[in-house]
Amino acid sequence: NAGVTQTPKFRVLKTGQSMTLLCAQDMNHEYMYWYRQDPGMGLRLIHYSVGEGTTAKGEVPDGYNVSRLKKQNFLLGLESAAPSQTSVYFCASSSDREGEYFGPGTRLLVL
Amino acid sequence: KQEVTQIPAALSVPEGENLVLNCSFTDSAIYNLQWFRQDPGKGLTSLLLIQSSQREQTSGRLNASLDKSSGRSTLYIAASQPGDSATYLCAVFTGGGNKLTFGTGTQLKVEL
Repeated sequence: NAGVTQTPKFRVLKTGQSMTLLCAQDMNHEYMYWYRQDPGMGLRLIHYSVGEGTTAKGEVPDGYNVSRLKKQNFLLGLESAAPSQTSVYFCASSSDREGEYFGPGTRLLVL
Repeated sequence: KQEVTQIPAALSVPEGENLVLNCSFTDSAIYNLQWFRQDPGKGLTSLLLIQSSQREQTSGRLNASLDKSSGRSTLYIAASQPGDSATYLCAVFTGGGNKLTFGTGTQLKVEL
């Protein structure tokens, strides 16, 4: 049981480049989430999904897109990276009665 | 809008001391409350989950209580150890989208 895994662990991008972060969970959870964590700002919700094929905006969705084509996967895309998107990105999953389980994070640096 | 506050923001204690971390939230209509720990450069590890119908949960040296009506939770750590040094985050799960709202955390340092 791997829990929640994230790929890649670290990435450096140039301004304007695009990339996709992959999150996978093997706990059959319905809900999945993408957060970003910045110093002094705490965790902020970017987008989330309440089931396969559904997505919704969180607190800071601008500049990001997501897709949940399969229940176990939740993808976060940056179409045109900006330095303000330099952050640590965490994926999480949960079910109705369980708490949230977090992945190890992806460190993204946009130059 | 749900807001979660954690006090204190930072805490330094000698090894062996019992300590209490506080969490307060503005909207008492929560489904559950979860305490996490985060080590530097690492992800979040779930410590305790309290459902809205429960008053407390215990795991080893950790005890978390929930008073939903007053919008408060406390995390009690008994006989603290240097390995307990980390940032502790409180989060509440509120309906209307199944989302967690996080506090900004308490940074704990347990010194030898």
